[in-house]
Formats: sequence, structure tokens, C-alpha cells
Amino acid sequence: ETGVTQTPRHLVMGMTNKKSLKCEQHLGHNAMYWYKQSAKKPLELMFVYNFKEQTENNSVPSRFSPECPNSSHLFLHLHTLQPEDSALYLCASSPAGTANYEQYFGPGTRLTVT
Amino acid sequence: DQQVKQNSPSLSVQEGRISILNCDYTNSMFDYFLWYKKYPAEGPTFLISISSIKDKNEDGRFTVFLNKSAKHLSLHIVPSQPGDSAVYFCAASIAYSGAGSYQLTFGKGTKLSVIP
Repeated sequence: ETGVTQTPRHLVMGMTNKKSLKCEQHLGHNAMYWYKQSAKKPLELMFVYNFKEQTENNSVPSRFSPECPNSSHLFLHLHTLQPEDSALYLCASSPAGTANYEQYFGPGTRLTVT
Repeated sequence: DQQVKQNSPSLSVQEGRISILNCDYTNSMFDYFLWYKKYPAEGPTFLISISSIKDKNEDGRFTVFLNKSAKHLSLHIVPSQPGDSAVYFCAASIAYSGAGSYQLTFGKGTKLSVIP
């Protein structure tokens, strides 16, 4: 596997379910990100991790819980979601500690909350 | 309040002609700008970037122009090819001193269709 991978690619869940999204990067980066892309809206940054430490939480509801066990893996744990949480969830990574603004994205997980 | 705006949701261009995608921003602290391209069922991929100390950056068929006084940037694709059909996102960032990550603020995107 190369680049940034995300699983699952599609997920349908009820409002009472608990599920997790997984992201893995094979680029040797130390910063990882979760974004949400809703229909007709810009990509919204949710969380940022630098060297496994969470450095940003952009006012995301607690029903979204990130986890970064190491620099290569990032999870987004989901519980008691709302239908308005249906969106494309994108993971990205970048080299940390350098003047490199470029982020590399995974293909995304299309989430539908019923 | 959207800090990065792409006011054209879609654009159609004939193959071989120039495509011009526009982006406006409101935050004068932004000092680095990027364009990403996204195909359906794929994540955004980096295309080209420009630092605020420049007004033009060129990479093959792609050129990005930055007008700081107008807070406006544009992406030119010449000549346009059918494979360029995708959604193009403009993104901006603020310099971050110290070791860490750079937050990107994205526009809503412009869907480019290149007609053969």
C-alpha cells in the first residue's frame, strides 16, 4: 500500500451505533488530520495530530472521538451520530516540523447516518 | 464566515482552450496558497502552490497567479484536456512558526468540465 489509505470506503450506520473509521499513511509523515466534507460546503478541519499529540480540535462535537496510536495510524470513533453528520470524511497527512504546507489525502469514507 | 471563496461552482471549457479558475480570500494573514484537484471517489491531490512573496508560479500546463492587493488568486490551465475534468479546490494557510502542522482553509470547489 502506498500513500494514505482509509477504511471503510462506505459506511451506513444508525444513530445508536458505534463505529470507527481508520486511516493509515505510508509516507513517513508525522502530522495527521481529519476533515469533513458535507454537500456544497468547504472541507472542514476537525482534528490535527502532530507526533501523536492532538494539537487542534475545531469545536467538534464529542460524538466524534479521534485516536492516534502512532504516527502512521489515525482513527475516528463515532457514536450516537445525527443524520446531519452524513458526509465524506477525509484523512490527510503531512511532514511536521518543516515548511511544507502540502497535505496528502486519502480517498475518504462516505458516511451515511440513518 | 468563509475566508476562502470560489464563487463559480462550475466551469465548462472546450478542449485545447484555457481554463481559468478563480479564488478570493478575506484573511490578510494567509501567506501560502494551494490548489488541489479531486476526481470522484478519490481524495484531493495537490496540484500547485504559491507563496505570498511571489505573484506567479508555473508548472507545465498549470500556472497560479496571486494578486495580494486584491486578495485574489487564479489557476490557469493551458491547454485544457478532458483528463483535467475534476473539482478544483483552492486552499490557504498561515505561516506557523515552530515544529508543527499547517492548517489549510479550503474553498467550496469549482467543477471543471473539459469538453472534447
